[in-house]
Amino acid sequence: GAVVSQHPSRVICKSGTSVKIECRSLDFQATTMFWYRQFPKKSLMLMATSNEGSKATYEQGVEKDKFLINHASLTLSTLTVTSAHPEDSSFYICSAAPFFGSSETQYFGPGTRLLVL
Amino acid sequence: AQTVTQSQPEMSVQEAETVTLSCTYDTSENNYYLFWYKQPPSRQMILVIRQEAYKQQNATENRFSVNFQKAAKSFSLKISDSQLGDTAMYFCAFMKLKTSYDKVIFGPGTSLSVIP
Repeated sequence: GAVVSQHPSRVICKSGTSVKIECRSLDFQATTMFWYRQFPKKSLMLMATSNEGSKATYEQGVEKDKFLINHASLTLSTLTVTSAHPEDSSFYICSAAPFFGSSETQYFGPGTRLLVL
Repeated sequence: AQTVTQSQPEMSVQEAETVTLSCTYDTSENNYYLFWYKQPPSRQMILVIRQEAYKQQNATENRFSVNFQKAAKSFSLKISDSQLGDTAMYFCAFMKLKTSYDKVIFGPGTSLSVIP
């Protein structure tokens, strides 16, 4: 149990286009989901915290108009990279915290590799 | 603000040997969680072990154990009988203890290589 999926697993797009990444909790409901960005051989950098039915909370320095987050249901959060540029190329990881369960538990998705040409 | 430091960017260990990864953190909180996560080449994050700060007993999970020193704000991970599958990035992480879920703060990571 406690599986989180991400789609797509990798995506290549042209500069200036928008890309949507989905994060789904497959067998549990998640009140809170988190979006991270990870550069090669670096740690995870939290971008935003997403709560179902409310606006996402962005970390300092993260452009909310650039990285649109929608948490429309208890099992789905989406990250849209708008007008993507090569510097947005990175590995994006989501995690989900169950609606029911111990407060320290979060489950990670497998990540999405984005390459902007 | 909380910070997590891992002073060993890279480490290696012979298969079947024991290795200890270091982690220190800074916080003014009294109640919190500490974690060690493993990220193998697949890049899937895997929870290795967690420790509640209010528990004095060190957490253990099979070959993995921690040495939690709350006063020193130290949280090291010991891997016994190292296996090739232990080769991965290891991240130490911190989370405040709250009634609702809070964000996790990750350290910079230690790249561990297990040598056959």
